[in-house]
Amino acid sequence: DTAVSQTPKYLVTQMGNDKSIKCEQNLGHDTMYWYKQDSKKFLKIMFSYNNKELIINETVPNRFSPKSPDKAHLNLHINSLELGDSAVYFCASSQDQQGYVGYTFGSGTRLTVV
Amino acid sequence: DQQVKQNSPSLSVQEGRISILNCDYTNSMFDYFLWYKKYPAEGPTFLISISSIKDKNEDGRFTVFLNKSAKHLSLHIVPSQPGDSAVYFCAASARGSGNTGKLIFGQGTTLQVKP
Repeated sequence: DTAVSQTPKYLVTQMGNDKSIKCEQNLGHDTMYWYKQDSKKFLKIMFSYNNKELIINETVPNRFSPKSPDKAHLNLHINSLELGDSAVYFCASSQDQQGYVGYTFGSGTRLTVV
Repeated sequence: DQQVKQNSPSLSVQEGRISILNCDYTNSMFDYFLWYKKYPAEGPTFLISISSIKDKNEDGRFTVFLNKSAKHLSLHIVPSQPGDSAVYFCAASARGSGNTGKLIFGQGTTLQVKP
């Protein structure tokens, strides 16, 4: 029973398309995040939501729009995909906004834009 | 501007020996540090953490040391086992008032433990 699940696991799409990545957590956590792992392997935060409220928005292009219908779900929609959007996207959740006990990560979505 | 750095991209050790993974940070506001372990095609999993009020935290074979004056932390694995072979990420957070507690990650160190 996966704690943080992301779909799809792999996504190959053409430039200019619009795509969504879904994330769900069954841990009862209040806070959810999206991280991007780029080609240099750094994990960089994109967004965080606490109980459906946007908390962090890290200078991400507005082509990226997170949506949290409830505190168990945080989806990521990307418009007009560009080659530079190719990366692995990780969803994560934590019990509290301060991350005292660390995050639980999903297994990642590898996005390839061609 | 990378606030958390892991300058060794890879490390290879023999089974049974000690593995030492290093991490440096630049932001003096960081007050909580974590190590994550990542296997291929999986998400990072939490390993061990340390608060800035401590200089050492131990959990079984894993010990994290924090040197605040040098802005340096290290993860020691003793004894190393082949199953420890993975990518290890260092992360830091500024959890004080007004901060969101977001984690800033290093770029990871790939550890290979040879049988």
